Amino acid sequence: AQSVAQPEDQVNVAEGNPLTVKCTYSVSGNPYLFWYVQYPNRGLQFLLKYITGDNLVKGSYGFEAEFNKSQTSFHLKKPSALVSDSALYFCAVRSYTGGFKTIFGAGTRLFVKA
Amino acid sequence: SQTIHQWPATLVQPVGSPLSLECTVEGTSNPNLYWYRQAAGRGLQLLFYSVGIGQISSEVPQNLSASRPQDRQFILSSKKLLLSDSGFYLCAWSIAGPGPGDTQYFGPGTRLTVL
Repeated sequence: AQSVAQPEDQVNVAEGNPLTVKCTYSVSGNPYLFWYVQYPNRGLQFLLKYITGDNLVKGSYGFEAEFNKSQTSFHLKKPSALVSDSALYFCAVRSYTGGFKTIFGAGTRLFVKA
Repeated sequence: SQTIHQWPATLVQPVGSPLSLECTVEGTSNPNLYWYRQAAGRGLQLLFYSVGIGQISSEVPQNLSASRPQDRQFILSSKKLLLSDSGFYLCAWSIAGPGPGDTQYFGPGTRLTVL
């Protein structure tokens, strides 16, 4: 069965510092991995995805994520956090064996302090 | 460009009343459509998905149903709401086809409170 784990319920960083939001996954076959961000009372916004190829994926708003097959991880990173990055972040996984079903992690709340 | 609309934005309904939430997509044809529920501002639960008009797959058995009367319209319904139906309902679309690499794009959501 497919699963996604976001081990941190909340991440606190100071503005200007690098940030990392962790994600690990379990899937049969090749994973297709996604990161989404959600602001209060809004829908999810797509940030980036890994399909194949380069393990480092660059996305919107300066975010990037690194696919690590051996560690089954897909951590979200940003070199310099902004207060406006404060939001709820979701990691998600799909696979051919899972069909149309996207499995979302429980979410990690990011607080960036000025 | 593609846009996705949901209405209403907020809804307060008594227990036992019916429900109808609507989602429409513009700027694309034959999209895959999805209904999710998000409880307590956290994880998302897939409720239904559709690959075409009249084609609905249910992921979670419950008192909700979905319909797709038109290519770009997806409706979530209930005949009698339960307190446990409260939550944030999100509609999403992706391009047609079974590719698992297709990105899902989400609507703004409907916050439902059942009293």
